[in-house]
Amino acid sequence: EPEVTQTPSHQVTQMGQEVILRCVPISNHLYFYWYRQILGQKVEFLVSFYNNEISEKSEIFDDQFSVERPDGSNFTLKIRSTKLEDSAMYFCASSEGGIPYYEQYFGPGTRLTVT
Amino acid sequence: AQSVTQLGSHVSVSEGALVLLRCNYSSSVPPYLFWYVQYPNQGLQLLLKYTTGATLVKGINGFEAEFKKSETSFHLTKPSAHMSDAAEYFCAVTQGHGGATNKLIFGTGTLLAVQP
Repeated sequence: EPEVTQTPSHQVTQMGQEVILRCVPISNHLYFYWYRQILGQKVEFLVSFYNNEISEKSEIFDDQFSVERPDGSNFTLKIRSTKLEDSAMYFCASSEGGIPYYEQYFGPGTRLTVT
Repeated sequence: AQSVTQLGSHVSVSEGALVLLRCNYSSSVPPYLFWYVQYPNQGLQLLLKYTTGATLVKGINGFEAEFKKSETSFHLTKPSAHMSDAAEYFCAVTQGHGGATNKLIFGTGTLLAVQP
C-alpha cells in the first residue's frame, strides 16, 4: 500500500541552525500538509500546499518557515533559524483531494530536537 | 474557532473489555469529525469520519463513533478490546458544509493500553 515517507526520523540541531525536513508524499496526491506536535501538546496544523503554492497556513508558520516541492516527488519544510521551541514531532501528510471526502495520509514523523 | 478536547490522556482496558475514548468538540459551524490512530513508529491512520447523514459511523478494526450534536461529542467505542488496539488515538475536527479549508484541528490524543 502506498505510504508517505519522511526523512530523517530524528534530527538534532543547534539553535540558530537551518534544518530541512523531507517528505515523499503518495505519488498521485495533489495536496500536501505539514503538522507538528510539541511533546505533550496537540497536533497542530502548520501549512497546506496545492498547485505549487501555499493554500493555507497557521499563525505558527511565520517567516522562519518555508515549504517547497522541488521536484515531482519531494515536499520539504525548511526552518531557517531554529529556536528551542521548534523542538517537536513534524508530520507530513498528503491527500488526493480536499477533506472530508479525501483522506489525509500521514507519514511517521520527524522528531526535531533543538539544543 | 474550532477545538477538540479528549478526556483522558491514558486509558487502560483489559482484553475483551469495552473501549470508550472520549472526544468533545467546539465549533460554530457544523463540523466534520475524525478519529485517527497512531501505532508506534507509524503515521496517523484514519479510523473513521463523520460528515453528514447517519450519526453512528463505523470504521476499521471494529471501531465506531456516534456524533451527538446536543452533547457536542464524538466518542469512539469498540465492544471488545484486542491487544492489537494498543495505540494512540486522536480526535480531529474541521469546518464542515463548504468551508474552504483542509486544516485538521486535533486533540491531544489518548494513549490506549490493553492488558492481557
